[in-house]
Amino acid sequence: DTEVTQTPKHLVMGMTNKKSLKCEQHMGHRAMYWYKQKAKKPPELMFVYSYEKLSINESVPSRFSPECPNSSLLNLHLHALQPEDSALYLCASSQPGIRAEAFFGQGTRLTVV
Amino acid sequence: SQQGEEDPQALSIQEGENATMNCSYKTSINNLQWYRQNSGRGLVHLILIRSNEREKHSGRLRVTLDTSKKSSSLLITASRAADTASYFCAYSGAGSYQLTFGKGTKLSVIP
Repeated sequence: DTEVTQTPKHLVMGMTNKKSLKCEQHMGHRAMYWYKQKAKKPPELMFVYSYEKLSINESVPSRFSPECPNSSLLNLHLHALQPEDSALYLCASSQPGIRAEAFFGQGTRLTVV
Repeated sequence: SQQGEEDPQALSIQEGENATMNCSYKTSINNLQWYRQNSGRGLVHLILIRSNEREKHSGRLRVTLDTSKKSSSLLITASRAADTASYFCAYSGAGSYQLTFGKGTKLSVIP
């Protein structure tokens, strides 16, 4: 099983809303990632969790708040987003070694109105 | 992070032809991975090549890596309409497992 599951698939939210994106994997991976992808652009790294601890935050605005409740789950809490935050948000997981393959979920298409 | 470059940006071929995409990067790497993305959805992992490998095969895919030139290529043989997608290379720099993505090649296979 090389599946990373993301929910919801689509999300429309207003600028004053609070919502959360969820990601789950059961491959025993101990590194999990959030990426943001704008249309016709490559994915850009937002956060990395390694052994449930935040190890990389790529200068992401505080309106994005990641959480890793356990080794299988990764959340991204959203609050007071801007229309320019509309994008595809991708979750990935891997073993935390430098030679490990990373597997991605199908993404959440987020639209901020 | 220093984004990789891919060329061509777009490639259109007839079904049955081979497709070659190239990726260049600027740092020392641990490994390089290739992904496929259909219509802006999730990334599908295709193949990983380690920094000490020069060539790797998986089905109709052939990947090469030239660390002296800091480049990699992905060859898809006998292409099919279902291969139509965007293809990205992604690499992790020395001592890191954080992936940096190339800009991608949009492949169109015409039936």
